[in-house]
Amino acid sequence: AQSVSQHNHHVILSEAASLELGCNYSYGGTVNLFWYVQYPGQHLQLLLKYFSGDPLVKGIKGFEAEFIKSKFSFNLRKPSVQWSDTAEYFCAVNARGYNKLIFGAGTRLAVHP
Amino acid sequence: DTAVSQTPKYLVTQMGNDKSIKCEQNLGHDTMYWYKQDSKKFLKIMFSYNNKELIINETVPNRFSPKSPDKAHLNLHINSLELGDSAVYFCASSQDRGSRSVETQYFGPGTRLLVL
Repeated sequence: AQSVSQHNHHVILSEAASLELGCNYSYGGTVNLFWYVQYPGQHLQLLLKYFSGDPLVKGIKGFEAEFIKSKFSFNLRKPSVQWSDTAEYFCAVNARGYNKLIFGAGTRLAVHP
Repeated sequence: DTAVSQTPKYLVTQMGNDKSIKCEQNLGHDTMYWYKQDSKKFLKIMFSYNNKELIINETVPNRFSPKSPDKAHLNLHINSLELGDSAVYFCASSQDRGSRSVETQYFGPGTRLLVL
């Protein structure tokens, strides 16, 4: 069965600190990969996605993620976080050929001024 | 214009009642979904419809019945509500490109259901 692990459940950073959120998945075939963000009280919004090509993907608001196939990972990074990045971040994986998106448990990021 | 809209935004009701949540998308997508987000923020798919046809039906009690009158709408009806149904329910849509893979999903604002 496919699954997604986000190892950091809760991350607290100060503004300007660098961010890396881990995401690992279990599926041996080809995958589509996503990071979604949910700001407090709001719906999920797409940050970035990887379908094929360059494994380093740039998204909105200065976020990027790197797909490392050998490690089954798709970690999210931002060099310098802002207070407005405080949100819940969800990694999601779709195994090609399956009509389902599997979400990780989410990582709650709190950025202090 | 709101791409994916849900009504109501909040729903407070008593155990045993029957309630419906409506979802509409104006993106021209042909696939729609219902997700349940529990109190720990865990997001799990419940149903998926493609062109009004049920594609995914996860292990959801049959008290939950989705209905898709057309490809722009996917409503969720819940019978005999229970305390454990309290959650945030998100509707989403995507464009099916025929590859049996999931494209980018666009989410609605969520419906916060509280069962007392």
